[in-house]
Amino acid sequence: DAGVTQSPTHLIKTRGQQVTLRCSPKSGHDTVSWYQQALGQGPQFIFQYYEEEERQRGNFPDRFSGHQFPNYSSELNVNALLLGDSALYLCASNPGGQGGYEQYFGPGTRLTVT
Amino acid sequence: KQEVTQIPAALSVPEGENLVLNCSFTDSAIYNLQWFRQDPGKGLTSLLLIQSSQREQTSGRLNASLDKSSGRSTLYIAASQPGDSATYLCAVVNSSYKLIFGSGTRLLVRP
Repeated sequence: DAGVTQSPTHLIKTRGQQVTLRCSPKSGHDTVSWYQQALGQGPQFIFQYYEEEERQRGNFPDRFSGHQFPNYSSELNVNALLLGDSALYLCASNPGGQGGYEQYFGPGTRLTVT
Repeated sequence: KQEVTQIPAALSVPEGENLVLNCSFTDSAIYNLQWFRQDPGKGLTSLLLIQSSQREQTSGRLNASLDKSSGRSTLYIAASQPGDSATYLCAVVNSSYKLIFGSGTRLLVRP
């Protein structure tokens, strides 16, 4: 059983560009959350998708947007990249759409903005 | 606003020692608390999940406790090994279903 997968592994972009990151949840999971982790910090919640809708959002600007597909996979889009967007982007999935379930994380996408 | 704090920020111990990592949170209205391990540049591996109604969970050499009333959790690692070297993160899930993380404890176990 494949766990949470993310692509690409690494990405280098220039300021002002746009980027799309992808995530496939663990089999049987229907809820996907995205987190941003700066160096030396804990992950910060960006948003969560359930039933193809953004269910809740953290304190991130509208430049960060997402989508969930009918097969529960998800994309994170970031527009007008800033140097400060350089981070490890983590995707997590859990089943049932509820908060009481264990969350499983993918290996992350390392984004570098130059 | 929920805040999660982990102490110490870094820890270096000789192999074989038993050790305790601490996590505290400001709002006791949580669904659960989860401990993770993160190796440098990698994703998070779930170690233990404690539901709000539970007091502790055990997996191998790891034991995690939860005291909701005082807003505290501890992760106990028995007979530490060099392979345990990593960053350990705790996170709570509250009514909004998102994980709120501490900044982690960087553990180095010296051979």
